Amino acid sequence: GAVVSQHPSRVICKSGTSVKIECRSLDFQATTMFWYRQFPKQSLMLMATSNEGSKATYEQGVEKDKFLINHASLTLSTLTVTSAHPEDSSFYICSARGRVGVFEQYFGPGTRLTVT
Amino acid sequence: TQLLEQSPQFLSIQEGENLTVYCNSSSVFSSLQWYRQEPGEGPVLLVTVVTGGEVKKLKRLTFQFGDARKDSSLHITAAQPGDTGLYLCAGPAGGTSYGKLTFGQGTILTVHP
Repeated sequence: GAVVSQHPSRVICKSGTSVKIECRSLDFQATTMFWYRQFPKQSLMLMATSNEGSKATYEQGVEKDKFLINHASLTLSTLTVTSAHPEDSSFYICSARGRVGVFEQYFGPGTRLTVT
Repeated sequence: TQLLEQSPQFLSIQEGENLTVYCNSSSVFSSLQWYRQEPGEGPVLLVTVVTGGEVKKLKRLTFQFGDARKDSSLHITAAQPGDTGLYLCAGPAGGTSYGKLTFGQGTILTVHP
């Protein structure tokens, strides 16, 4: 149980284009989903928190117009990197939490974004 | 925001050796989690500790939660190359955090055959 998928696993795009990453909870309903960014050999950096049906809450320093998050249903959240630039290249990971009051998060396998 | 200090940052050992990773804070946590992440993959939840003084075992891995619930440790006995990865401790970020976690800096463990 508690499986989270991400798609795509890898994506290469040209500078100036937009990329959408999907995060799905496969066997549970996710009340909250989180989006992280991770640089090589470093810990996770939280970008934003999304609750189904409401606007995402972004961490300080994260541009909400650049990283668009939509939590359309209890099993799907999407992150769209708009007008991507090489500095947006990174490993993006989503996670999902099933129940209010429970702090364990279940992580997707990550998406490696490379902007050329 | 409650901070977690993890140490050491890097650990390179030979197969068969024992090791301990520490996760410390000046704040009290209601629970702490340990995750392991392999290169190119997402973190996988290993364990959650909730009660002060609690000890949990997962095969060769032993997790301990401090009596005051401010620190935790992960001990691996007879490490194997398959234990190689990034180990992360995490706990509730506190306040009206909607379930956000605060993460330690991570420990990169390399076990050489």
